[in-house]
Amino acid sequence: GEDVEQSLFLSVREGDSSVINCTYTDSSSTYLYWYKQEPGAGLQLLTYIFSNMDMKQDQRLTVLLNKKDKHLSLRIADTQTGDSAIYFCAETPTGFQKLVFGTGTRLLVSP
Amino acid sequence: EAGVAQSPRYKIIEKRQSVAFWCNPISGHATLYWYQQILGQGPKLLIQFQNNGVVDDSQLPKDRFSAERLKGVDSTLKIQPAKLEDSAVYLCASSLSAGDTYEQYFGPGTRLTVT
Repeated sequence: GEDVEQSLFLSVREGDSSVINCTYTDSSSTYLYWYKQEPGAGLQLLTYIFSNMDMKQDQRLTVLLNKKDKHLSLRIADTQTGDSAIYFCAETPTGFQKLVFGTGTRLLVSP
Repeated sequence: EAGVAQSPRYKIIEKRQSVAFWCNPISGHATLYWYQQILGQGPKLLIQFQNNGVVDDSQLPKDRFSAERLKGVDSTLKIQPAKLEDSAVYLCASSLSAGDTYEQYFGPGTRLTVT
């Protein structure tokens, strides 16, 4: 099946680190992605990682990939109130060109 | 560079009525996608076009949904007749080519409410 799972909600204080977790289904997925969705807005690609990588860092964002466990995580350092949004992980299943999204994790950052 | 444009932004209709959504992708993008996002869920692909041909429509409810992409540019998605469970945000995305899945750019979406 195509079930990408995420925890529904995460609450952190401003300045803390946030870690959003995702479990995906297709161990052969070539790329795995993190998207951000703010209220009333479309999806914004934050970062992606190629399946032969274990880690990718981009400014405040760190993506960790554990292929054995099919686990993907997104760490946001020094979380700001502007980071409050819904975060979706997504995969591209083998043989397809579409994105399969998780259910989304709502991140709430309080001052 | 202009982004993906969609209209209308909001639409309210009664069940059994018909509705159409329009999408204008980024100039030069050959691949266009329509996703359905039900409240509290992640987007789900309905249909993918490569130029004006359909690549994947396996999750499109073809008894009521139809989509076209004339001349390989703009696209319309139609629902006829609408059901209550069609209430969702309909997102359009485009990418330069089908191989650039990671470079999908999304429009703001059309929020449909069926009453």
